[in-house]
Amino acid sequence: EIQMTQSPSSLSASVGDRITITCQASQDISTYLNWYQQKPGKAPKLLIYDASNLEAGVPSRFSGSGSGRDFTFIISSLQPEDVATYYCQQFDNRIYTFGPGTKVDIK
Amino acid sequence: EVQLVESGGGLVQPGGSLRLSCAASGLTVSSNYMTWVRQAPGKGLEWVSVIYSAGNGATTYYADSVRGRFTISRDNSKNTLYLQMNSLRAEDTALYYCARDRANAFDVWGQGTMVTVSS
Repeated sequence: EIQMTQSPSSLSASVGDRITITCQASQDISTYLNWYQQKPGKAPKLLIYDASNLEAGVPSRFSGSGSGRDFTFIISSLQPEDVATYYCQQFDNRIYTFGPGTKVDIK
Repeated sequence: EVQLVESGGGLVQPGGSLRLSCAASGLTVSSNYMTWVRQAPGKGLEWVSVIYSAGNGATTYYADSVRGRFTISRDNSKNTLYLQMNSLRAEDTALYYCARDRANAFDVWGQGTMVTVSS
């Protein structure tokens, strides 16, 4: 079973900062990698699918890249409404696995 | 508007059973891959199960942690997804979400229903 790691586990940044979250799979998953945002008390929301595709209606300050084992999620200019936990998620061989999450807040 | 509404959660004793429901509107459950994801209190997300669309044989898959105890199904006439949970354990305590699986990405989510397994 593929394992997912994320780093950092948490971060604190200022409004307007560029933040980067990385996700690594234990083996090659091509681009079968999605990113979700979960605000406190809310269901997760799909932001990026297939590693780099922005979901409809999601602001363009969110982006994703990568393939194989290493993936990156970027918020180009952090906004107060971006306070949330961000999860990567992979699909391989009929099994889905989420990363442990990265909690983002405002400094 | 596409909407998923879960229900059926509650308090159950270890070893007990519970059936969760996920009523869909704005999408047809039988035409979509549908999934259950859970989140233990204060923890991360854990995928539980998926059922493929009727056109793809309604194949089902489960996480190792629930295989043999949980069963995913749907009622096309009610446009509703189900999760039958048997032999429940304390570690099954979680908020259970249903979601649509669009090409392996979960793009529509319900609000979740809470399951607590405790004596």
